[in-house]
Amino acid sequence: AQSVTQLDSQVPVFEEAPVELRCNYSSSVSVYLFWYVQYPNQGLQLLLKYLSGSTLVKGINGFEAEFNKSQTSFHLRKPSVHISDTAEYFCAVSPTRAAGNKLTFGGGTRVLVKP
Amino acid sequence: DAGVIQSPRHEVTEMGQEVTLRCKPISGHNSLFWYRQTMMRGLELLIYFNNNVPIDDSGMPEDRFSAKMPNASFSTLKIQPSEPRDSAVYFCASSLAGHPNTKYFGPGTRLLVL
Repeated sequence: AQSVTQLDSQVPVFEEAPVELRCNYSSSVSVYLFWYVQYPNQGLQLLLKYLSGSTLVKGINGFEAEFNKSQTSFHLRKPSVHISDTAEYFCAVSPTRAAGNKLTFGGGTRVLVKP
Repeated sequence: DAGVIQSPRHEVTEMGQEVTLRCKPISGHNSLFWYRQTMMRGLELLIYFNNNVPIDDSGMPEDRFSAKMPNASFSTLKIQPSEPRDSAVYFCASSLAGHPNTKYFGPGTRLLVL
């Protein structure tokens, strides 16, 4: 079984400041890793994913994440946030043998960008 | 493309009533997923289908829940009888077989069982 821990439930940040959202996972098998964003009253949208290769992954809207296998982490970063980045962010993992079909989500991190 | 379509967007019902949630996946997608989101348990996978066939329903909470996919463009999630603890947001997502890592989520159905 897999588990995902998002260490911060809420992160307030000022506009144009950097932000880092932390994600740690536990799994006895190899996994794919994902970050999703959920804007108010909307479904989830894929920000980025790590399947293999370079451990630094770039996604949409200027976000990037780094996979650290030794620390079982997949932290999400953005160097300069906008008001429109206010949303909830979910880290997720899926066993590679399940080919990404069985996502286990973290509890989410609410990002509030202040002017 | 219209994206994944879910209906209704909001549903309020009384305990004991039957509830049916509907989903239309993106045209051409042949994998469909049902998720539930609650404050207590977060996002959980309930069931997923490949080519209209249920592959894994281990996340379905109990026999009161059932899901069908009669054709490639339509799926239902039914709760009978409904209970207050079923109150949640239910999301449907779809993906192309061979590309399960890129799922497209619908806007969700917010269910309140009184």
